[in-house]
Amino acid sequence: GAVVSQHPSWVICKSGTSVKIECRSLDFQATTMFWYRQFPKQSLMLMATSNEGSKATYEQGVEKDKFLINHASLTLSTLTVTSAHPEDSSFYICSAPGLAGEGPDTQYFGPGTRLTVL
Amino acid sequence: GNSVTQMEGPVTLSEEAFLTINCTYTATGYPSLFWYVQYPGEGLQLLLKATKADDKGSNKGFEATYRKETTSFHLEKGSVQVSDSAVYFCALRGAAGNKLTFGGGTRVLVKP
Repeated sequence: GAVVSQHPSWVICKSGTSVKIECRSLDFQATTMFWYRQFPKQSLMLMATSNEGSKATYEQGVEKDKFLINHASLTLSTLTVTSAHPEDSSFYICSAPGLAGEGPDTQYFGPGTRLTVL
Repeated sequence: GNSVTQMEGPVTLSEEAFLTINCTYTATGYPSLFWYVQYPGEGLQLLLKATKADDKGSNKGFEATYRKETTSFHLEKGSVQVSDSAVYFCALRGAAGNKLTFGGGTRVLVKP
């Protein structure tokens, strides 16, 4: 099946700095990607839908200015956590819908990025 | 809104034991239901799904039946292997769109 990668797999940063997380579809093109956040022992929460060539669609309660999403190409979406604070520490996961013909139920997930803000 | 509740882990079993992970949901309309599995160091993978009431999804020896009357989609496997050690997520997709709502995940550890 299709593969989605994320980079970095983990990152530690100081409070107040910005961190960029990349999500790549390795062998297919993705006009849409999804960004999730997972707190320890909690479910994945959809943060936003990234759309190639247009603005991302954010879920209610997600700060657009804090979590900047850019979908610059058909294989790359980036999530930038700006002015990170300890409460932003979490596991961030991206996914991309399946290939044409695979139907809406197919999503390919990246392995996740663990962010720790000191 | 939609929500998914699944049993907390970790669940520790011996090889060849029977596994059940409970999952219940709240949703309007008729959602599609899924179980995803995440092996260590890998992304979530679709394990099985059911798209309407009384459907049974199955894969790799795992089964789950869409029970609308109890709003449940419990995952079962009759004889687990060490290689089944992973985190299992129950999820639903509402009638409109392709957004997924996940449960909290259940870590399963199978010991030889």
